[in-house]
Parts: sequence; structure tokens; C-alpha cells
Amino acid sequence: EAEVAQSPRYKITEKSQAVAFWCDPISGHATLYWYRQILGQGPELLVQFQDESVVDDSQLPKDRFSAERLKGVDSTLKIQPAELGDSAMYLCASSEGEWWLTGELFFGEGSRLTVL
Amino acid sequence: SQQGEEDPQALSIQEGENATMNCSYKTSINNLQWYRQNSGRGLVHLILIRSNEREKHSGRLRVTLDTSKKSSSLLITASRAADTASYFCAASRNTDKLIFGTGTRLQVFP
Repeated sequence: EAEVAQSPRYKITEKSQAVAFWCDPISGHATLYWYRQILGQGPELLVQFQDESVVDDSQLPKDRFSAERLKGVDSTLKIQPAELGDSAMYLCASSEGEWWLTGELFFGEGSRLTVL
Repeated sequence: SQQGEEDPQALSIQEGENATMNCSYKTSINNLQWYRQNSGRGLVHLILIRSNEREKHSGRLRVTLDTSKKSSSLLITASRAADTASYFCAASRNTDKLIFGTGTRLQVFP
């Protein structure tokens, strides 16, 4: 069964260091999402891609976060520098079809970030 | 910001009992989805209900949608210990992004 792959599963870093997360969506899924989930809360959308184009990054803290999906397949989310408040689970998801036809999202297992 | 608010925040029941979770949202929507999340894992899609539907079933799951009250409910019948998880509603309006609620933590005791 096709899955969304994410790495690393766990990352511990010190404040002010750079971190990067990788996501490989289900093959053929045009839309890719990065969500941040703080413990005890629901996921919050950081950035949404349609193929290689960003369609929504309104909640992405652009002074320290960046995301890319260069060939419209896998994606990288980077944080530089990391702050204590960035400790969270970073979830990648993908879906079939165009981004405006919001249907079922397929999630990866997430990357748990702890900033010390 | 959260589109949906789940109620209750936490629910504890015995195996075999039914579990009902409610979701209220703020704006008109095109569809509403329910997801399940086991502790420390990713989310798994359970069911999608469109704005022109009132009720939908999938196995032991029953979802209702009341657009006049801007609310939805998820019923899990004959619950099992394996149903222990957090459950989230998520709603979208037209081409807006999918926004998740705050979740209900369900604990099912054997």
C-alpha cells in the first residue's frame, strides 16, 4: 500500500541550529501539504503545494521557515534558526487532484522536533 | 486558527459502548472530514461528508452533518480498545485550505 514517507522521525536540536525535514508523497499525488501540530492541538497548515508551486503559505513564518518542492515530487521543510517554540510534530500529507478539490489527505508518520 | 471545535475534549468509555464526538465550525463549508490519530503517529482519514449530505456510514462509523447548525457528529458504535485515539474534524470552504479542529481524545477501556 502506497504511503507518504517522512524523515527523520525524531529530531532533537539546540536553539539557533538549522533543521530540515523531508517528505516523499504518494506517487502521482499533485498536492502536498506541510502541517505543524503542537502537542494537544490539531494540525495547522504551514504550506500547500500544487505540483511545484506554492498555493498557500500564509501561516508559514517566512523569517525562519522555508519549503520547496523543486520537481513537484518530494519536498523539504527547513527551519533556520530553530526556536524553543518550534517544538512540535511536523506532518506531511498528500492528496490526488487539484488543490481546490479538497478531498482525502494521506498523512505520513510525522517528524517530531524537540528544540532545547 | 481552528475552523472546528470538538466536544468533548476527552471521552472515556468501556468496550462495547458507543462513543459520540461533536464538531462545530464557524463558516459555510463544502465538505467536512473526520480523521483519527494514534498517539505519536500520523492522521488517518476516516470519512468525508459533503455539504449536501446529511448522514454517512462506514462500518461502525456514522457521521451526521447539520449545515444549519454548523455542526457534525461522529458516532463509533460497539467501541473496541483499539479505537483509543484522538479524533479530529476538518472542514474546507470552496478553495480554502482544510482546517482542523482541536480534537477529541477517546479512551476505550477493555
